[in-house]
Amino acid sequence: QVQLVQSGAEVKKPGASVKVSCKASGYTLTSYHMHWVRQAPGQGLEWMGIINPSGGSASYAQKFQGRVTMTRDTSTSTVYMELSSLRSEDTAVYYCARSPNWGYDYWGQGTLVTVSS
Amino acid sequence: QSALTQPPSASGSPGQSVTISCTGTSSDVGGYNYVSWYQHHPGKAPKLMISEVSKRPSGVPDRFSGSKSGNTASLTVSGLQAEDEADYYCSSYTGSNNFVFGTGTKVTVL
Repeated sequence: QVQLVQSGAEVKKPGASVKVSCKASGYTLTSYHMHWVRQAPGQGLEWMGIINPSGGSASYAQKFQGRVTMTRDTSTSTVYMELSSLRSEDTAVYYCARSPNWGYDYWGQGTLVTVSS
Repeated sequence: QSALTQPPSASGSPGQSVTISCTGTSSDVGGYNYVSWYQHHPGKAPKLMISEVSKRPSGVPDRFSGSKSGNTASLTVSGLQAEDEADYYCSSYTGSNNFVFGTGTKVTVL
């Protein structure tokens, strides 16, 4: 069965970077795009970007341009999301989500990233 | 890209229907038939309920239906059940490999 398993919770200081992983199983990683979505405490869902695991190309929401990098390792069926220059407002649960067409049908369990001095 | 506009809350008694709107612009909701809806229970991962405006994935009850008119998409939940109480989000393609979510609606089953 399809599973997306994300890395564990992180605590980072302002200005640092965080790299969250999302390991896919039960299907071929390169067959579908992967998105990253986050939810800050008490806030709604926010789309961050998309990566095509086949060629590695990525597209990011304007808000995160210059601070986010999405990559993949096809040998381990894992996609990564790295966010730099962290600030307190980046405290959120980060999700990876698979997109076979125009909806996100499978989601990771979420990774809590806490930014605090 | 601004978030799509949803009402903060909606409610209904068991067995009733509730409709949630999702208003965007001609650059997102109105420009593409790529609106999806998600049910989100706190502490869990969101669940896809509707894709491409009105397509219901396998396993989603037919009590859930989607539609679109102009720049506004809608999700209707018929025959409300207690387990339908959750946050609901719409999402739309906005072109150039970009997407946007709605502001979210908390559905309460009275």
